Amino acid sequence: EVQLVESGGGLVQPGGSLRLSCAASGFTFSSHAINWVRQAPGKGLEWVSAISGSGNSPYYADSVKGRFTISRDNSKNTVFLHMNGLRAEDTAVYYCAKALSATVWWWPYWGQGTLVTVSS
Amino acid sequence: EIVLTQSPATLSLSPGERATLSCRASQSVNDYLGWYQQTPGQAPRLLIYDASNRATGIPARFSGSGSGTDFTLTISSLKPEDFAVYYCQQRSSWPMTFGQGTRLEIK
Repeated sequence: EVQLVESGGGLVQPGGSLRLSCAASGFTFSSHAINWVRQAPGKGLEWVSAISGSGNSPYYADSVKGRFTISRDNSKNTVFLHMNGLRAEDTAVYYCAKALSATVWWWPYWGQGTLVTVSS
Repeated sequence: EIVLTQSPATLSLSPGERATLSCRASQSVNDYLGWYQQTPGQAPRLLIYDASNRATGIPARFSGSGSGTDFTLTISSLKPEDFAVYYCQQRSSWPMTFGQGTRLEIK
């Protein structure tokens, strides 16, 4: 069974940093892309970042480019989202999701999310 | 980036009725368009990918159509559990983007 568990969320001051983790199990981790999607309170979904199975190809939304870095450790079946320069508008539930297959980047498997609150 | 515009913002229907949700892209996404359902407090659920393919376990009452810039999600006969928010997403070009969502509510 595919499982994705996010962690690392919490309260951080504006300008601060946080590292989110997405721990995966139940599939061949290094073969599948993982992405992060966020949802601000009461708002819609916003795609944030994605990384290929090998880790060689990262992608970012314009709103986070230069501030967030996605990486993965395939030996630990974990993807990370390093968030720097956090702003109030980054407050959201952050979900990670696994691709449908090695080459099809649709997202049928999701974690339950971790809440990031940016506030002084 | 490609902007996805969903309409209507809110759709009020009764169980048993047919629902038609629209998603329009600012430029062609070929058929790289997907649909997600989200209920309160839950993660999104992939319903349709590549415009018309139902994801595993999705009931046949959900169908997708369209290509290029205009897409439709149809729910043939609404069940109580279908009242939720629906989002379209494109993966034709980076960055991936979502539409703003359509809220399907009980009339």
